[in-house]
Amino acid sequence: DTEVTQTPKHLVMGMTNKKSLKCEQHMGHRAMYWYKQKAKKPPELMFVYSYEKLSINESVPSRFSPECPNSSLLNLHLHALQPEDSALYLCASSQESSGGLSSYNEQFFGPGTRLTVL
Amino acid sequence: SQKIEQNSEALNIQEGKTATLTCNYTNYSPAYLQWYRQDPGRGPVFLLLIRENEKEKRKERLKVTFDTTLKQSLFHITASQPADSATYLCALDSPGGSYIPTFGRGTSLIVHP
Repeated sequence: DTEVTQTPKHLVMGMTNKKSLKCEQHMGHRAMYWYKQKAKKPPELMFVYSYEKLSINESVPSRFSPECPNSSLLNLHLHALQPEDSALYLCASSQESSGGLSSYNEQFFGPGTRLTVL
Repeated sequence: SQKIEQNSEALNIQEGKTATLTCNYTNYSPAYLQWYRQDPGRGPVFLLLIRENEKEKRKERLKVTFDTTLKQSLFHITASQPADSATYLCALDSPGGSYIPTFGRGTSLIVHP
């Protein structure tokens, strides 16, 4: 299985709601990532988990809270978001985040969750 | 600061021609460079990786070159097809050697039948 799955595909939420995005991979990858992508912009790294531990937090506001329950799952909990947080949220995985001997971090992306905050 | 530049204007070409996309970077000495394809509303899909000590890499109709002196990579699609229409992103490893790629904004390719 060489797929990263994400649910839901679309999410509309109000600024006072609490919701979660989910990501799953069964490739045995030990690094998992959350990216945010606005239209016509590159994916921007938000968080990196390496071996189920948070290794990078790119100064993301606390209204975004990541969680890695096990090596196959990654969640992003959302609370009190702003309309400017509306974007495509992408999950990715790779062999590892520290660049082993040959992988150089080819990233496998999920299809994304299109989030709209009203 | 480090910068990755890809042409923001769409590239329009006729079917059968070779498409050439450019990725320039400044204030970087990347260990590798990757190219991804992204379709609208979808996640990027990895295509090719080229290391700093490699000049050229090929995969089927795709060819990537990496010139560390010019700080530029060229991405070629030969015998282009309408199905090749997508946005193509280049990505370089982040400064400091974390090996996590940083993405350019991508160039849209439109192949006309």
